[in-house]
Amino acid sequence: GNSVTQMEGPVTLSEEAFLTINCTYTATGYPSLFWYVQYPGEGLQLLLKATKADDKGSNKGFEATYRKETTSFHLEKGSVQVSDSAVYFCALPHMNYGGSQGNLIFGKGTKLSVKP
Amino acid sequence: DTAVSQTPKYLVTQMGNDKSIKCEQNLGHDTMYWYKQDSKKFLKIMFSYNNKELIINETVPNRFSPKSPDKAHLNLHINSLELGDSAVYFCASSRDREGSPLHFGNGTRLTVT
Repeated sequence: GNSVTQMEGPVTLSEEAFLTINCTYTATGYPSLFWYVQYPGEGLQLLLKATKADDKGSNKGFEATYRKETTSFHLEKGSVQVSDSAVYFCALPHMNYGGSQGNLIFGKGTKLSVKP
Repeated sequence: DTAVSQTPKYLVTQMGNDKSIKCEQNLGHDTMYWYKQDSKKFLKIMFSYNNKELIINETVPNRFSPKSPDKAHLNLHINSLELGDSAVYFCASSRDREGSPLHFGNGTRLTVT
């Protein structure tokens, strides 16, 4: 099956700092890639996704580009806010489209704390 | 109009007890899941149902038994609770089982004392 590796945190930044959270994957073929965010006390929410190589997913100022050459899907934001404090998860399907196990597998999560 | 709702939000119980967590989705999705999140935030799939049919059953003790009365509901029953079962359990649903995005409930924090 596929797998995902995500940089470990925690990450602490000051407001308006630049954010990068690294994510690399191993997969057969080119599965869709996802970033999810979990705010304190809540379930995970889809933040952004990319469905094919070179696609850029974006939402709420966050971006991630699907790079097949480096098998990466790093999350970036140019200027973080206190409200971005959360745990971020990189994810991809366990098996590619057409496989019998379409559940998502998640990285270990990166906790981001943004200080005023 | 919550999309995926699970109850209860908190569950505190003693070792050896039996408990259930309920989950309902109103998104019309075909596939539902149970994930377990440990204290380090690591998420692991436990079960998945597609149109009431069990399609994923990971290495989970058979004290855990999912039940799907219809495709909008997926409940989790746990027998003979153990200390190590303490975690946050998330229900989720997706349109299909081909890697489409998941919609999560807000979790049930289970504490076994």
